[in-house]
Amino acid sequence: GENVEQHPSTLSVQEGDSAVIKCTYSDSASNYFPWYKQELGKGPQLIIDIRSNVGEKKDQRIAVTLNKTAKHFSLHITETQPEDSAVYFCAASGWNTDKLIFGTGTRLQVFP
Amino acid sequence: EAGVTQSPTHLIKTRGQQATLRCSPISGHTSVYWYQQALGLGLQFLLWYDEGEERNRGNFPPRFSGRQFPNYSSELNVNALELEDSALYLCASSLGRAVGANVLTFGAGSRLTVL
Repeated sequence: GENVEQHPSTLSVQEGDSAVIKCTYSDSASNYFPWYKQELGKGPQLIIDIRSNVGEKKDQRIAVTLNKTAKHFSLHITETQPEDSAVYFCAASGWNTDKLIFGTGTRLQVFP
Repeated sequence: EAGVTQSPTHLIKTRGQQATLRCSPISGHTSVYWYQQALGLGLQFLLWYDEGEERNRGNFPPRFSGRQFPNYSSELNVNALELEDSALYLCASSLGRAVGANVLTFGAGSRLTVL
C-alpha cells in the first residue's frame, strides 16, 4: 500500500547551519509532494510543495528537491534560525486523489 | 480570511462514551479531511468528505464516522471510546476534487482525552 518514510526522526543543528530532511514514497503514481511545519499546539502549516513535473523548488531559505526515479524527495533549510524549530512532515499524493499520506515527522531543534 | 476552525479545543471523555468534533472549512473550500495524530506519531488519514459525500476513509473501525453539511462544515463522531482514541484530531480543507487541487489547509485541532 501507500507508504511514506521520513528520516531522521530528530535533527539538532546550530543556528546558521543547514538542515536536510529526506523522504521516500512507495506509490509510483504519486505526483504531489508537500511539506508541512507543525509548531507546538498548532496544526500543520504548508511551507512548500512540489509537483512531479518539477525537480526543484525554492522559496527563500527553504528548498525541496524531487527524484522521481528513486522516489525520493528532500527538504533543505539553509541559514537555520531558532524559529525554524518545529516538527516537519513530508507527504505524498496523486493528482486529484483523496488523501495525503504523511511521513512520521522530523523534530528539528535549532540551537542559538 | 478565516482559516479552518475546529471545536472544541479540548474534550475529555470516559471509555464507552461518544465524542463529537466539529470543523468549519475555509470559505470556498468544499472538501474536508479528518486526520488523527496520536502522541508522538504522524498523521493518520481518517475520512474525506467532498460536496456532502464521504469519498474515502482510512483504516479505522466503523465507530469512527462523520458527515458533511450543506454549508461544507463537518463533524467527526467517535462512538464507544477507547483509551487509544486519545489523540489530536485535525481537520483540513481544500478546494475540492472538482478543482483537482489537493492543497490542504489544517486547523489547530481538537485534543481528545479518553480516561
